Amino acid sequence: QKEVEQDPGPLSVPEGAIVSLNCTYSNSAFQYFMWYRQYSRKGPELLMYTYSSGNKEDGRFTAQVDKSSKYISLFIRDSQPSDSATYLCATSNSGNTPLVFGKGTRLSVIA
Amino acid sequence: DARVTQTPRHKVTEMGQEVTMRCQPILGHNTVFWYRQTMMQGLELLAYFRNRAPLDDSGMPKDRFSAEMPDATLATLKIQPSEPRDSAVYFCASALGGQQETQYFGPGTRLLVL
Repeated sequence: QKEVEQDPGPLSVPEGAIVSLNCTYSNSAFQYFMWYRQYSRKGPELLMYTYSSGNKEDGRFTAQVDKSSKYISLFIRDSQPSDSATYLCATSNSGNTPLVFGKGTRLSVIA
Repeated sequence: DARVTQTPRHKVTEMGQEVTMRCQPILGHNTVFWYRQTMMQGLELLAYFRNRAPLDDSGMPKDRFSAEMPDATLATLKIQPSEPRDSAVYFCASALGGQQETQYFGPGTRLLVL
């Protein structure tokens, strides 16, 4: 079992929809949780960063961590065609260890 | 606008040839990562350095891959000899110490080995 599992999609939604992207992880020691967005033929860019459990909101994006079920989510409200990208979750157990990435979910938002 | 730069952006080579990829981390960042991304495996960590010292290169095939940091502004990843299965996008990322939220990726080197 990979340490971080993520459904690769693709996921296709109409503009304005609420998008839910999810990952599960196996290592209960993971404390740091990230979401990266990767546009086609570009490098990943950090979108959201959460430490431990709870929610974090930034504009239309909300990151949620449930450590009891080892489940992390990213919600996108009022999705836009510009949100079309691959979204990668990532996690690590301390600030000094490298991130472990999910394979990414490809999202298309159709105008 | 600080960013990680990588050269070359694209490389096509024949099996058996040496490939060298270069990365310039963000000025002041002392941690450098090399990743490989494929459709099948996703983003995999190959090696990483802190203050130019290699901390972990367990993700690299040691017989053909090597990574170095000749100085604080340059990281290199070499493949010799290259094989078709090395075809992938190679990303460099840099960060400030162990601060994961400061990890920034370069644009990648797209490698095709024929």
